[in-house]
Parts: sequence; structure tokens; C-alpha cells
Amino acid sequence: DIQLTQSPSFLSASVGDRVTVTCRASQGISTSLAWYQHKPGKAPEVLIYGASILQSGVPSRFSGIRSGTQFTLTISGLQPEDFATYYCQHVNSYLVTFGGGTKVDIK
Amino acid sequence: EVQLVESGGDLVQPGGSLRLSCAASGFNFSSYWMSWVRQVSGKGLEWVANIHQDGSEKYYVDSVKGRFTISRDNAKNSLYLQMNSLRVEDTAVYYCARRLGNCSGGYCYNWFDPWGQGSLVTVSS
Repeated sequence: DIQLTQSPSFLSASVGDRVTVTCRASQGISTSLAWYQHKPGKAPEVLIYGASILQSGVPSRFSGIRSGTQFTLTISGLQPEDFATYYCQHVNSYLVTFGGGTKVDIK
Repeated sequence: EVQLVESGGDLVQPGGSLRLSCAASGFNFSSYWMSWVRQVSGKGLEWVANIHQDGSEKYYVDSVKGRFTISRDNAKNSLYLQMNSLRVEDTAVYYCARRLGNCSGGYCYNWFDPWGQGSLVTVSS
């Protein structure tokens, strides 16, 4: 089974900072990776799918890139509403795998 | 509006059973794979089960195999999760989600959108 290793688990940042979250797959998954934002008491929301395709309605400060089996989510200019937990996800025909999550907190 | 609404979460004793429901609206429910995902308090997201559009294929995470059953009723636009032999470690918020997919340049990828708001299942004596 494919494993997704997400790092860091936690990061402290300030409004306006550039933030990067990394997700490494245990084997090649092409561009089959999505990123989600999850706030307490809310439903998770997709930000990026296909490794780099921005979901409609998501601000352009969010971006995703793939380099081999490493995927990166970047928030360019952190906003107050971006403080949340972020997850990467891989879906194949049968199974679904999530990364461990990255909590972005206010410094 | 595309929407998923879960219901059925409750407090149940270890060894007990519970059925979660997920009502879909705003899209052609019978055209999509559907999934259940859970989150234990303070932990990350964990996929639980998938079901094919017509219910012919079902897949589960190892920890619930033989205890949980995913099903759907396309006539009622509803997804279900029957949970038997519940354990304390099954305590979590359970989300239903629609699976979307696309292919580009010979590569295919999937993602979940939307998700429901979640239903809390508490297993405790």
C-alpha cells in the first residue's frame, strides 16, 4: 500500500508569511494527489487536486507542485482564515490514503 | 447546491451497532463513487470505506473489515455505513464524501468533493 509522509506536523507562522507543506509518497503516484484544508467543526475542503490544479473558488495564494514522489503545498501570503490543518491524499481505484496532517498555527 | 448531510451518530456501548446515513442532493448521486472517512479527536483523517456507483464494488480499511458494511440506495440518494461490533477506538466524527475524477495527458487522478459536515459516533460504556 502507498504511504504518504507529510511534514512538518506542526508549524507556527505569521500573517503574510509564505508557508510550505511537503507530502512524500512511498512510491510513484504520478499526479494523483489532492490537498485539503480542515478547520475544527467543519467539513474538509479540497484546495488542490491532480497535484497542481487549483479548485474553483480557492484563492490563488494556494499552489501545489510535484517533483517525482514529493508534493508541495505553498501558501503565498498567509491570511488569518488560513490557520487550519492541511492534509494530502492519494486515491486509487480501491484504497484511499491520507498524510498525517500539518497544523498551521498563529505565531 | 451540491450537498451531503450525515445523520445517525450516537453514543453506543462497546460491542453495539449503529447505522450512519448520508443524504445527497444537488447532483446525480448514482453516477459517483462515494466514501466514508473518519477523524478521531485530536488525530488525522482516516479513510474507512468506498463504494462503486452501483454498489458492485466495496473496499474497506483493514481495521473495519468484517465489522462495517458500506451500502447505498440510489433511488433514495443515500449512502449508509452499518457499524457492528463497535470498539472504543471507533469513536470518531464520520464524514461522507463524493469522489471525483479526471484524466489529463494520460494520467488520471481523483479527489473528494464535497464532504458532509460529519456525524459523531461515541463508543463508551
